[in-house]
Amino acid sequence: DTAVSQTPKYLVTQMGNDKSIKCEQNLGHDTMYWYKQDSKKFLKIMFSYNNKELIINETVPNRFSPKSPDKAHLNLHINSLELGDSAVYFCASSPRALGGEQFFGPGTRLTVL
Amino acid sequence: DQQVKQNSPSLSVQEGRISILNCDYTNSMFDYFLWYKKYPAEGPTFLISISSIKDKNEDGRFTVFLNKSAKHLSLHIVPSQPGDSAVYFCAASARGSQGNLIFGKGTKLSVKP
Repeated sequence: DTAVSQTPKYLVTQMGNDKSIKCEQNLGHDTMYWYKQDSKKFLKIMFSYNNKELIINETVPNRFSPKSPDKAHLNLHINSLELGDSAVYFCASSPRALGGEQFFGPGTRLTVL
Repeated sequence: DQQVKQNSPSLSVQEGRISILNCDYTNSMFDYFLWYKKYPAEGPTFLISISSIKDKNEDGRFTVFLNKSAKHLSLHIVPSQPGDSAVYFCAASARGSQGNLIFGKGTKLSVKP
């Protein structure tokens, strides 16, 4: 009965590879987000989708491409992985894109070697 | 440029006493503030929030105070329990930002039995 789930929980890969992280929410929320927590522990928003439409796209390299096949899923695809991409990535969802409480997934720790 | 600052990286409190976690912000457009709690290897979980039209919000042992003139908010936990030991993140959003939460760096609270 997990509200926001992410797979995989850990991901170790080589530089230059392409990888995807999946996120699913069963809360019936309209809005989903991707956050990155870097080595300095800052949690920063990367993308936000509302009803499958991109509404927030912070300054993120275009190697990162979010994909929302439906309202309950927001996947993150990363091309040509770099060392600096190593971080914990959190997916989140909220009832609507008006601010307020967001529900977070457990995170995916990505390590690029 | 940090818009949300948590200047204390850590705080240690005795069980049963009050824990006070502080947060400062610089953006006067912020109108909604949230506190999240995070255990290791888990995603942040929502704790309590406050709108800028209020100066206090209480939920059980947790109270958030907002001082708009000082651009300061604080989270009070009374009485503190060992299970409260976690990292606490302050977050803020601005009207019209479409749910973009700006997070502080977090304060690690340790409650000692």
